[in-house]
Amino acid sequence: GQQLNQSPQSMFIQEGEDVSMNCTSSSIFNTWLWYKQDPGEGPVLLIALYKAGELTSNGRLTAQFGITRKDSFLNISASIPSDVGIYFCAGQNRETNAGKSTFGDGTTLTVKP
Amino acid sequence: DGGITQSPKYLFRKEGQNVTLSCEQNLNHDAMYWYRQDPGQGLRLIYYSQIVNDFQKGDIAEGYSVSREKKESFPLTVTSAQKNPTAFYLCASSTGGENEQYFGPGTRLTVT
Repeated sequence: GQQLNQSPQSMFIQEGEDVSMNCTSSSIFNTWLWYKQDPGEGPVLLIALYKAGELTSNGRLTAQFGITRKDSFLNISASIPSDVGIYFCAGQNRETNAGKSTFGDGTTLTVKP
Repeated sequence: DGGITQSPKYLFRKEGQNVTLSCEQNLNHDAMYWYRQDPGQGLRLIYYSQIVNDFQKGDIAEGYSVSREKKESFPLTVTSAQKNPTAFYLCASSTGGENEQYFGPGTRLTVT
């Protein structure tokens, strides 16, 4: 099956710092999604990417769909305490995995005030 | 307000009992999904359904069962055959295909 490697596994940063995390796949995807999960809650969709090379922003968040279609990046600028949580990437490919998403294992972000 | 609801938020059961987790959506989405999440881990797909009256096994379907009799409802039964049922269970829905999934708030099941 498709494998997604998400890194780093965890990050400890100071408030105000920028954050970068990424996901790489062993096979291509047609859609990349980024989610944030607060403790004890369901993941919330942050950004959806549908085209190779696409760069999309949502406030302080920016995500990119890699040109090879095998990777994606999420950047958070000027982090604040409420950015704390687990960030998941997910990829979809209708041809090889119809109707399903493949999820990374998550990046746990801790922001120190 | 459109969204996905899961109930209850917390559920406690004795070992050997079957338990059913509820998932309802009013987004008019065709596809629905059940995931399991263990502490410090990602999401693992249990079952999914792309249309009413049809569903497929995910990666960890053993010990679970589902039904999809109505478009808006996709209940998950955790049977006594599931060896390690204590976990956080998440339901999601989407319009299908390569479209984003939207998640419910989750149900934390504890079996003792």
